[in-house]
Amino acid sequence: DAGVIQSPRHEVTEMGQEVTLRCKPISGHDYLFWYRQTMMRGLELLIYFNNNVPIDDSGMPEDRFSAKMPNASFSTLKIQPSEPRDSAVYFCASSYGTANTGELFFGEGSRLTVL
Amino acid sequence: RKEVEQDPGPFNVPEGATVAFNCTYSNSASQSFFWYRQDCRKEPKLLMSVYSSGNEDGRFTAQLNRASQYISLLIRDSKLSDSATYLCVVIPAPKAGTALIFGKGTTLSVSS
Repeated sequence: DAGVIQSPRHEVTEMGQEVTLRCKPISGHDYLFWYRQTMMRGLELLIYFNNNVPIDDSGMPEDRFSAKMPNASFSTLKIQPSEPRDSAVYFCASSYGTANTGELFFGEGSRLTVL
Repeated sequence: RKEVEQDPGPFNVPEGATVAFNCTYSNSASQSFFWYRQDCRKEPKLLMSVYSSGNEDGRFTAQLNRASQYISLLIRDSKLSDSATYLCVVIPAPKAGTALIFGKGTTLSVSS
């Protein structure tokens, strides 16, 4: 089975531009998570969905960030407008019932650089 | 106080050494604990769960101390391939679907 698929793998953009990151979770998984990782702050939870419904978005930094999950096989994380401090690796992960096994399956990440 | 705290290291050890990492968590109601491993420029992957009674998987032993709110990971007979960042992970509330909270990780470098 294919794992979690993220795109793009790398993106370099200029401040003020819109950035859209995409994620396809593992088929059958009912939870989808967006995390951001930086050296300073580590791996931070941004938002997560259960059955396509956002459950907790308290980690979303500000209104410039938005996430959607229009169906069970696709999610987007959008940053508009982007700023240099948004530079990070953005991971999407999926799971089936996290509390039981604690196993999240991560994508390879999208490395974002905002100049 | 952060929810999950780890010593960032790095821990530099020779092959064959035994090394231990600790992690503390702030929410005493936390029920589930895990260790993840992240190789350089890769995604995190589950290494092992941490059970109240402690558990072992080959050279790796994980333990939980609820009274002091810390978990530990012991690696015996370190291999070069053990070089990675080890992330302590907690589910802070005992309900289904709660998101995992990650520590910042402890970096291990094993040298020959």
